Amino acid sequence: EVHLVESGGGLVQPGGSLRLSCAASGFTFSTYWMTWVRQAPGKGLEWVANIKQDGSEKFYVDSVKGRFAISRDNAKNSLYLQMNSLRAEDTAVYYCARGPGAIWYWGQGTLVTVSS
Amino acid sequence: DIVMTQSPDSLAVSLGERATINCKSSQSVLSSSNNKNYLAWYQQKPGQPPKLLIYWASTRESGVPDRFSGSGSGTDFTLTISSLQAEDVAVYYCHQFYSTPPYTFGQGTKLEIK
Repeated sequence: EVHLVESGGGLVQPGGSLRLSCAASGFTFSTYWMTWVRQAPGKGLEWVANIKQDGSEKFYVDSVKGRFAISRDNAKNSLYLQMNSLRAEDTAVYYCARGPGAIWYWGQGTLVTVSS
Repeated sequence: DIVMTQSPDSLAVSLGERATINCKSSQSVLSSSNNKNYLAWYQQKPGQPPKLLIYWASTRESGVPDRFSGSGSGTDFTLTISSLQAEDVAVYYCHQFYSTPPYTFGQGTKLEIK
């Protein structure tokens, strides 16, 4: 059974940094694109970034380019999102998800709150 | 970037009646190479991650009740629930994954019981 478990969320001040992690199990992690999607409180879904199987291709939504970095460690079956220069508008539940396009599997999400 | 626009933003339908949600993309998501529409539909209930219902615009995911169906091509798509059940109350999202990212979502449609 596929499991995706996010961690690393929390309260951070504007301008601060946070690193999210996603532990994957139940499938061959190294053979799938992986994606981060976020959802601000009471709002809709926003695609954030994705990364190719070997990490050679990465894509970002414009609002996080230059501030966020997606990465993976296939030996540890883990996905990461390094978030720098955080803003209030980055406050959201961040979901780890499997796939480049349509998403069959989602984690339960981790809440990131950017506030002073 | 492709902009996805859903209508309506909210919808109230009586139990057993049909619910229809529309999704329009700012450019075609139909691939000429394989004739597939790169469009998915999700259902999200409070406190839960989204659940995939439909992919390739009209292919129902395994285990999804057959009262859910997807249709459309190019830029105009529809999710139909043929006979609304109480457990279908949720927010529904369309999602395009055509060509190069970012892969954008519609703003969501909140479905309630009338």
